[in-house]
Amino acid sequence: GAVVSQHPSRVICKSGTSVKIECRSLDFQATTMFWYRQFPKQSLMLMATSNEGSKATYEQGVEKDKFLINHASLTLSTLTVTSAHPEDSSFYICSARPPRYTDTQYFGPGTRLTVL
Amino acid sequence: TQLLEQSPQFLSIQEGENLTVYCNSSSVFSSLQWYRQEPGEGPVLLVTVVTGGEVKKLKRLTFQFGDARKDSSLHITAAQPGDTGLYLCAGGGRGSTLGRLYFGRGTQLTVWP
Repeated sequence: GAVVSQHPSRVICKSGTSVKIECRSLDFQATTMFWYRQFPKQSLMLMATSNEGSKATYEQGVEKDKFLINHASLTLSTLTVTSAHPEDSSFYICSARPPRYTDTQYFGPGTRLTVL
Repeated sequence: TQLLEQSPQFLSIQEGENLTVYCNSSSVFSSLQWYRQEPGEGPVLLVTVVTGGEVKKLKRLTFQFGDARKDSSLHITAAQPGDTGLYLCAGGGRGSTLGRLYFGRGTQLTVWP
């Protein structure tokens, strides 16, 4: 149980285009999902907290107009990187919190974004 | 900001050796999680400790939460090459930050056969 999937696993795009990443909780409903960014050899950096049916909460320094988050259902959250630039290239990871758990998060396998 | 200092940052050992990874903070956490991550994949939850002083064992891995819930350690006995990976500790926020995880920088463990 507690499986979280992400799609796509890898994406390469041209500068200026937008990319959508999907995060799904496969066997539980998640009212809260999280989006992280990870640079090589570094830890996870929280970008935003995604709450089903409401606006996402962004961490300081994260542009909400550039990283659009939609949490339209209890099993799906999407992150759209708008007008992507090479500096947006990174490993993006989502996580989902099962109901009745405060701290436990189950992570997706990540999406490697490369912007040319 | 609740910071978790994780040490060592890198650890390279031979198969069969023991090792300990430390996670320290001046902040109190509601819980402490340990994850292992392999290259190109997401972190996998190993354990959650909640009570101060709690000790949990998972085969050759022993996890301890400090009495004051500010620090934690991960001890691996007789390390194997399959233990190689990035180990991350994460503290659970309290109060207004309840539900948020604060990650340490990670310990990259390499176990040589």
